[in-house]
Amino acid sequence: NAGVTQTPKFRILKIGQSMTLQCTQDMNHNYMYWYRQDPGMGLKLIYYSVGAGITDKGEVPNGYNVSRSTTEDFPLRLELAAPSQTSVYFCASSAQGRNEQFFGPGTRLTVL
Amino acid sequence: AQSVTQLDSQVPVFEEAPVELRCNYSSSVSVYLFWYVQYPNQGLQLLLKYLSGSTLVKGINGFEAEFNKSQTSFHLRKPSVHISDTAEYFCAVSASYGQNFVFGPGTRLSVLP
Repeated sequence: NAGVTQTPKFRILKIGQSMTLQCTQDMNHNYMYWYRQDPGMGLKLIYYSVGAGITDKGEVPNGYNVSRSTTEDFPLRLELAAPSQTSVYFCASSAQGRNEQFFGPGTRLTVL
Repeated sequence: AQSVTQLDSQVPVFEEAPVELRCNYSSSVSVYLFWYVQYPNQGLQLLLKYLSGSTLVKGINGFEAEFNKSQTSFHLRKPSVHISDTAEYFCAVSASYGQNFVFGPGTRLSVLP
């Protein structure tokens, strides 16, 4: 099993550009999450999903969108990139909402 | 809602010395507790977890943690650290129901030669 995979690993965007961060898990987990991690800070939840077709906002959803059309995939969309979105983005999944989460390797995004 | 406090943002310690990383939580319902480790430029990896039963939990890489309900704490310990333990450590708590999973701000452990 590959676990949770994320692409790309690194990306540089210009202000106003858009992109999609991909996340895929092969553990048949219902729950999936997107976090951002800023230097010296902990993890902040952007969006989460409890199953295909169901998503909800986390602590910092502004400027992002998600979709969950399949159990395996949970892409994160940035529509109009801003310097404040420079961060490392982690995708995670869990079998149930309160069980341990399994993390991907992260995507390092820089917006200039 | 749950919350997690990690009082020490940075902990320097010499190699082969013992270490304790502190974690306190608040919750009005029963909780599950977790410690994660993040090595430089990597994702988070589960070290250990407390779900129920024995309050002393053993994890990977020689780490252990003790759940203390009266003090609402879940401190992480290792009797002898190695250079390779240098990393960021995150405490997390989840509620007994719902999907509320909260991470602490992290503690950066630096093991010095």
